[in-house]
Amino acid sequence: EAGVVQSPRYKIIEKKQPVAFWCNPISGHNTLYWYLQNLGQGPELLIRYENEEAVDDSQLPKDRFSAERLKGVDSTLKIQPAELGDSAVYLCASSLDSANTDTQYFGPGTRLTVL
Amino acid sequence: GDSVTQMEGPVTLSEEAFLTINCTYTATGYPSLFWYVQYPGEGLQLLLKATKADDKGSNKGFEATYRKETTSFHLEKGSVQVSDSAVYFCALTSGTYKYIFGTGTRLKVLA
Repeated sequence: EAGVVQSPRYKIIEKKQPVAFWCNPISGHNTLYWYLQNLGQGPELLIRYENEEAVDDSQLPKDRFSAERLKGVDSTLKIQPAELGDSAVYLCASSLDSANTDTQYFGPGTRLTVL
Repeated sequence: GDSVTQMEGPVTLSEEAFLTINCTYTATGYPSLFWYVQYPGEGLQLLLKATKADDKGSNKGFEATYRKETTSFHLEKGSVQVSDSAVYFCALTSGTYKYIFGTGTRLKVLA
């Protein structure tokens, strides 16, 4: 079974440029998550989708970040414009549902460097 | 709010040594507890989990017991290998889907 796929794996951009990350969750997983992981820290949730609906985006900085999950499968996370402080690893995860016992499966992440 | 505290790393051990990585938590309700492992250049992988008090999660020689009385979920392994070198994250969910992660503990095993 294929795992969570993310691309690109690495991205280097100049500040004020836009950037987008793509995620393909495990087939059949209804719930999709985007996390931010700063160096030396644990992941922090940005947004959660149940199918195509964003049900928790309370931690997403909406002035510059946006996300979508059209058709309830793949998802894209965008930053526009990027700032130096956005340099981090962006992780996508998926789970069958969102019960608190459900295992979340993580992709390898996209490492973003903003210069 | 809910939180997870892990021992700071890095932890450096010789091969075949005994491993303990401490994890304590603060949560309302009855959390589920998880250990995730992150190998270099890879995403987080579930190592083990426990969903109620006194449960023991185990996988690949690693174990952790859900201790409600001490609010702990310490990770142990009897004999570590070089291939166990990674960053280990303790996490909880309490009443919701939302994972709260600790800051991670880096383990380095020397041959």
